[in-house]
Amino acid sequence: AAGVIQSPRHLIKEKRETATLKCYPIPRHDTVYWYQQGPGQDPQFLISFYEKMQSDKGSIPDRFSAQQFSDYHSELNMSSLELGDSALYFCASSSTSGSGDTQYFGPGTRLTVL
Amino acid sequence: AQKVTQAQTEISVVEKEDVTLDCVYETRDTTYYLFWYKQPPSGELVFLIRRNSFDEQNEISGRYSWNFQKSTSSFNFTITASQVVDSAVYFCALSEGDSGAGSYQLTFGKGTKLSVIP
Repeated sequence: AAGVIQSPRHLIKEKRETATLKCYPIPRHDTVYWYQQGPGQDPQFLISFYEKMQSDKGSIPDRFSAQQFSDYHSELNMSSLELGDSALYFCASSSTSGSGDTQYFGPGTRLTVL
Repeated sequence: AQKVTQAQTEISVVEKEDVTLDCVYETRDTTYYLFWYKQPPSGELVFLIRRNSFDEQNEISGRYSWNFQKSTSSFNFTITASQVVDSAVYFCALSEGDSGAGSYQLTFGKGTKLSVIP
């Protein structure tokens, strides 16, 4: 079965640079969630989209923005990168059922900021 | 606010032993959803199970079983006859309520690192 695709899998950037992470949800899934997992930490919710509209927002820095496109893929844009942004970034997708979403996660993008 | 507590930071067992991972949750909502995810050393998060707050039926899937008890706000996970491939970090997670599509953000526990020794 098709899974969530994230690209790139690994990304190395310098401080103050910009990064764009991409997420392609499971086919026919209409909802995307983004999470950030620091080293040795649990994943933290950043932002979510349903039918191309932002649904919910968590602890996402103002330097980060995201959107969901007409084909349901999503991009997370990160600017003015800081050392503390080094983390594993997960995208998860779900098919909204009206009674909670079971989220299926992609393999993650490992971002290293030097 | 919702909270998930996994008191066991690390557990080591010898292969073929049974092991139970504990999860205690807090929520003010009467409708909520509980999950377990597995994160092997390769890093991906693998969905294992979901339970709705209105369904306290326990579940068994092969060597895995889950015990959901609303009275103690617990959702424990047992692996029977553990294998080396079970070595991973296991996360318990909670999402709340009926705020609408796309609003079921997960709150994770800190995770339990399970090491199965051959």
